[in-house]
Amino acid sequence: IVLTQSPGTLSLSPGQRATLSCRASQSISSNYLAWYQQKPGQAPRLLIYVASRRATGIPDRFSGSGSGTDFTLTISRLEPEDFAVYFCQQYGISPWTFGQGTKVEIK
Amino acid sequence: QVQLQESGPGLVKPSQTLSLTCNVSGGSINSGDYYWTWIRQPPGKGLEWIGYVYYSGIAYYNPALKSRVTISVDTSTNQFSLKMNSVSAADTAVYYCAREGYLDPSLPSDVWGQGTMVTVSS
Repeated sequence: IVLTQSPGTLSLSPGQRATLSCRASQSISSNYLAWYQQKPGQAPRLLIYVASRRATGIPDRFSGSGSGTDFTLTISRLEPEDFAVYFCQQYGISPWTFGQGTKVEIK
Repeated sequence: QVQLQESGPGLVKPSQTLSLTCNVSGGSINSGDYYWTWIRQPPGKGLEWIGYVYYSGIAYYNPALKSRVTISVDTSTNQFSLKMNSVSAADTAVYYCAREGYLDPSLPSDVWGQGTMVTVSS
């Protein structure tokens, strides 16, 4: 399954809302779609799984939605620590695959 | 709290075998709750799932890499390993170990190691 993320880069200011898209080339089984945040030099951090469940310790400003082939990660109000790269991953159909990433940068 | 730590050579010559080990601390590999996973990320690029192993030794691989990859587990040392043969420059990447759910298959990779950079060069 090919995952296509858009936009490639999102330029926003702290306090603004971020909306990231992940589109799959075919329907994802059981909506097994995850979102990760990655900062430079760090491993990815799990934010969302099964499309909309927040992982342990993740602030509620992060939310996920969608089903089938279209999924969205929303950050309601950007905090300075949220500027990073975000990847989606499908783990419903082997082999698991990742999107190419969306960079959220400070405007 | 479970922690994962990768180790292994940072430089491998072309056509040789890349060997990495992931040490699991704060939890037991043979609890049976998780798959133990390898994922890689070429510099400046996206992530690629390599495969995973269960504590029993059964492993599953990405078909794109299956012919060159072996993932194994050593429950006596609480470690699991990655071997990739016939490497080329295209295998230069940061290699991460991680865990993902077995008893709860809805759980993707929730705990990751810090990653180790492997460069393939003569």
